[in-house]
Amino acid sequence: GESVGLHLPTLSVQEGDNSIINCAYSNSASDYFIWYKQESGKGPQFIIDIRSNMDKRQGQRVTVLLNKTVKHLSLQIAATQPGDSAVYFCAENPRFGNEKLTFGTGTRLTIIP
Amino acid sequence: KAGVTQTPRYLIKTRGQQVTLSCSPISGHRSVSWYQQTPGQGLQFLFEYFSETQRNKGNFPGRFSGRQFSNSRSEMNVSTLELGDSALYLCASSQPGPDEQFFGPGTRLTVL
Repeated sequence: GESVGLHLPTLSVQEGDNSIINCAYSNSASDYFIWYKQESGKGPQFIIDIRSNMDKRQGQRVTVLLNKTVKHLSLQIAATQPGDSAVYFCAENPRFGNEKLTFGTGTRLTIIP
Repeated sequence: KAGVTQTPRYLIKTRGQQVTLSCSPISGHRSVSWYQQTPGQGLQFLFEYFSETQRNKGNFPGRFSGRQFSNSRSEMNVSTLELGDSALYLCASSQPGPDEQFFGPGTRLTVL
């Protein structure tokens, strides 16, 4: 069945270093993937997305990599800042036009000053 | 443009009661999805409404229901509350299609 999982539940990174958060998915039919950031007391906030016809997409300080061969997704955050401390979720959308998102369990990223 | 708003932000109920949560999407967004977030199960999809019709439904019992109004505002209802219904209920709105969903701050429901 569909499942989206994360390799590590927690990650601590020194401020200024780069961080990588990984995510595995099992539904090969998924064609749209999103990374969300959730801070305490807030709803998830969109960070970056990628469609299955791409293998890399860059935003401001963030890069998402998609490896369809091994069904793996990663989020790279460059030059981490204290404000990057949050829980990060990957989510997949199984097919075009379907609003249902399947979320991973989340990784808590802590930036060490 | 105002974001997604949810009311109330916090709610305390007792077992057996029912509750109604409200969500106002971003202006122009016609799709509204509801999610339940708990520490044990994470974020789980409840249902999605588009043009007043339920378009998708997750694996939740019939005690969980929802509706959408002509102005795209949505409500979800949980009847006969159980302790396990304690969670953060999140609403997200989007344009039709697999575009990003914008989440509201959530309603924290505590069932005693």
